[in-house]
Amino acid sequence: NAGVMQNPRHLVRRRGQEARLRCSPMKGHSHVYWYRQLPEEGLKFMVYLQKENIIDESGMPKERFSAEFPKEGPSILRIQQVVRGDSAAYFCASSPRGGIAEAFFGQGTRLTVV
Amino acid sequence: QQQVKQSPQSLIVQKGGIPIINCAYENTAFDYFPWYQQFPGKGPALLIAIRPDVSEKKEGRFTISFNKSAKQFSLHIMDSQPGDSATYFCAASPRQGAQKLVFGQGTRLTINP
Repeated sequence: NAGVMQNPRHLVRRRGQEARLRCSPMKGHSHVYWYRQLPEEGLKFMVYLQKENIIDESGMPKERFSAEFPKEGPSILRIQQVVRGDSAAYFCASSPRGGIAEAFFGQGTRLTVV
Repeated sequence: QQQVKQSPQSLIVQKGGIPIINCAYENTAFDYFPWYQQFPGKGPALLIAIRPDVSEKKEGRFTISFNKSAKQFSLHIMDSQPGDSATYFCAASPRQGAQKLVFGQGTRLTINP
């Protein structure tokens, strides 16, 4: 059973470009969480999704950030018009039920904005 | 009030020593306190967790101590090994089934041979 798969592992974008981060949850998991980790800081909650639904996006910046988890395919975290401050590691976690305690984290996507 | 404060930021211990990492919180609604271990280039992995109805929990060489009145909890690693070198994060949530965690800032632990 493969773990939570995130791709790409590393992503470099120029300021103003779009970044798309993908997360394929573990088999049988229908709940996905996105966290952001700035350098030398802990992880900060961004959004919690179930298939086709955003349940809690209280940690998402109001502009430029969006997330989806379609019926088929991976969850996508999309950042439009990236700025240097978006440089961070973005982690996805998935769980079989709606509890972060049972969630497994992926290896993360490290976004660098140049 | 949503913060979890973790210390120290970094810690170096000799093999066999007992590193201790401390966390403090303010929100009395927090009811579930996990610790995560993160190796470079990897995602965090759940190590051990505690609820406030117990004062201590042990799993192998890892022990959580919990002081509800002081709103503090700590991780102890017994007989530490170089393979324990990693970044450790404490976290908290209102309940075990909650959908989000508040993480501490992390402690970079190095165990010297």
